[in-house]
Amino acid sequence: KQEVTQIPAALSVPEGENLVLNCSFTDSAIYNLQWFRQDPGKGLTSLLLIQSSQREQTSGRLNASLDKSSGRSTLYIAASQPGDSATYLCAVISGSARQLTFGSGTQLTVLP
Amino acid sequence: GAVVSQHPSRVICKSGTSVKIECRSLDFQATTMFWYRQFPKQSLMLMATSNEGSKATYEQGVEKDKFLINHASLTLSTLTVTSAHPEDSSFYICSARFGGGYLSYNEQFFGPGTRLTVL
Repeated sequence: KQEVTQIPAALSVPEGENLVLNCSFTDSAIYNLQWFRQDPGKGLTSLLLIQSSQREQTSGRLNASLDKSSGRSTLYIAASQPGDSATYLCAVISGSARQLTFGSGTQLTVLP
Repeated sequence: GAVVSQHPSRVICKSGTSVKIECRSLDFQATTMFWYRQFPKQSLMLMATSNEGSKATYEQGVEKDKFLINHASLTLSTLTVTSAHPEDSSFYICSARFGGGYLSYNEQFFGPGTRLTVL
């Protein structure tokens, strides 16, 4: 059974700092990996999707990398802003049913 | 493109009543839809997977008679929480997946969620 772990569970940084969020998964046979953002009481916003054949994806100040063989992904946020404060969820699609398995998330607070 | 809507966004009901939540794919045909549940400060847990025209597949521990799922068309799935109780209060999120074309074969597109509060 696929398990996804995110470290750290919570992170507080001053504005302007670069930061890295970590995600690991137990079964490397994935179709893709996706990073989401969730604001309190809201739904999910998809940030980046990396196909299993890709190594990284970039969108603006966000860069996500994937090392499928080691079961790891990182989300790099450059020049963090208070508006980046949210919970970041990592999820992988795997298995015959191609289901998404979510990590427990990293709650990020960027202090002004 | 790839927009998924949910209705209602928020519902408050009395214990014992049934509540229906709709999930619609607005600009694509969803061969598969998923229902997730999220408790406060926790991640999303998959409840069930439904394919259009067939019975839903429920995850272990999810009561089929409590959470009725219908996927009658390629753009609509409904989740009915029957005889709701306070412990059913949660945030319910649906997602939809398209089988091919310009959208990624595996990517799921998420609705905005429904906040259910059972008094």
